[in-house]
Amino acid sequence: DVKVTQSSRYLVKRTGEKVFLECVQDMDHENMFWYRQDPGLGLRLIYFSYDVKMKEKGDIPEGYSVSREKKERFSLILESASTNQTSMYLCASSFGGESGNTIYFGEGSWLTVV
Amino acid sequence: AQRVTQPEKLLSVFKGAPVELKCNYSYSGSPELFWYVQYSRQRLQLLLRHISRESIKGFTADLNKGETSFHLKKPFAQEEDSAMYYCALRKNAGNMLTFGGGTRLMVKP
Repeated sequence: DVKVTQSSRYLVKRTGEKVFLECVQDMDHENMFWYRQDPGLGLRLIYFSYDVKMKEKGDIPEGYSVSREKKERFSLILESASTNQTSMYLCASSFGGESGNTIYFGEGSWLTVV
Repeated sequence: AQRVTQPEKLLSVFKGAPVELKCNYSYSGSPELFWYVQYSRQRLQLLLRHISRESIKGFTADLNKGETSFHLKKPFAQEEDSAMYYCALRKNAGNMLTFGGGTRLMVKP
């Protein structure tokens, strides 16, 4: 089974703190994604990576950055957390190549910024 | 830009009743459409995709390009179908999904 693991399930951070959300996948997937999930808004793509050190902005990249130093690991960074970044963050991965590949999701990381 | 709309945030039906979760999209090209489901305390997972034309857990969805819709249907809802359902679109040349706002389905006994 594909495993996408988000190491931190629940975090509480203070406004202005730097926050790292880590994601690891064990299926040698080329593509990795970070989404945030908010009620009524569904999932919105923050960043996408299609290879090591390669990234593309999604729909809402402001206030976020990402790092992909190894193929299996994709990190989301909040340089200076703000209360409007309180949300559920979902990491996902898929094989590259043709666009018909299934995307697999992690269990999510609940982030509260106070 | 592409957009996915799920007009109902909450849909409540009785067990055994038919259910239809609506999804409309806007995209000028040839999209791929998907339904994802998230059961309580579980991760988001793929339910079905339009190119497979399959039935999963009794659910079907037909892509209607004329109406730009991809509604999810099941003739007889079960209590275990209660979950959050998301419709998603992938552009024909990309790997990124655009999701709708989601519909919470509650199936009452």
